[in-house]
Amino acid sequence: GAGVSQSPSNKVTEKGKDVELRCDPISGHTALYWYRQSLGQGLEFLIYFQGNSAPDKSGLPSDRFSAERTGGSVSTLTIQRTQQEDSAVYLCASSPQGGQRAFFGQGTRLTVV
Amino acid sequence: AQSVTQPDIHITVSEGASLELRCNYSYGATPYLFWYVQSPGQGLQLLLKYFSGDTLVQGIKGFEAEFKRSQSSFNLRKPSVHWSDAAEYFCAVGASYGGSQGNLIFGKGTKLSVKP
Repeated sequence: GAGVSQSPSNKVTEKGKDVELRCDPISGHTALYWYRQSLGQGLEFLIYFQGNSAPDKSGLPSDRFSAERTGGSVSTLTIQRTQQEDSAVYLCASSPQGGQRAFFGQGTRLTVV
Repeated sequence: AQSVTQPDIHITVSEGASLELRCNYSYGATPYLFWYVQSPGQGLQLLLKYFSGDTLVQGIKGFEAEFKRSQSSFNLRKPSVHWSDAAEYFCAVGASYGGSQGNLIFGKGTKLSVKP
């Protein structure tokens, strides 16, 4: 596609359930980022993939959060045993190379009830 | 480690007035610098970027920003604000090489309100 695609756009889940959020980056972009945007918290970095390098996971808030990127393209962010504080908009972005201009998806709004 | 500070959480200006949004960064080498804007219900849109060269960069919608190495700053300016500029603005710092140093770090954002 022409831009970064995220699915689903909205997700409501019960506390304690696992969720998977998907990101399709722009074709050919080697860098992929996940951010979380909570009300009043700005953009919180979660994880960064760059080509075949080991991902930078330094932003993941707990071991309930994990992400993978298959074949250097699609990425999935998984949150296990969701908690209410996980409610936020999860944004994915990609760029041709790490540290350069990032193109953002529209985000997945996660609500944990 | 890279970090970005936007000291102002919320700024209100009158329509037609000038605007300056502050951004300070921490980075060991010459960074790549960006300003993004997020309008209500919209995605993040790039306003402008600095990679190298002229330290005053022009962006879309009449915005400009100046890179000042000595002050580790990249403040965003606009001479005359329009009501449609009301949004949240994010400053970001990146690097030119891959690996963990290629990460893109954002500030917490500055919310701009515009008074009629």
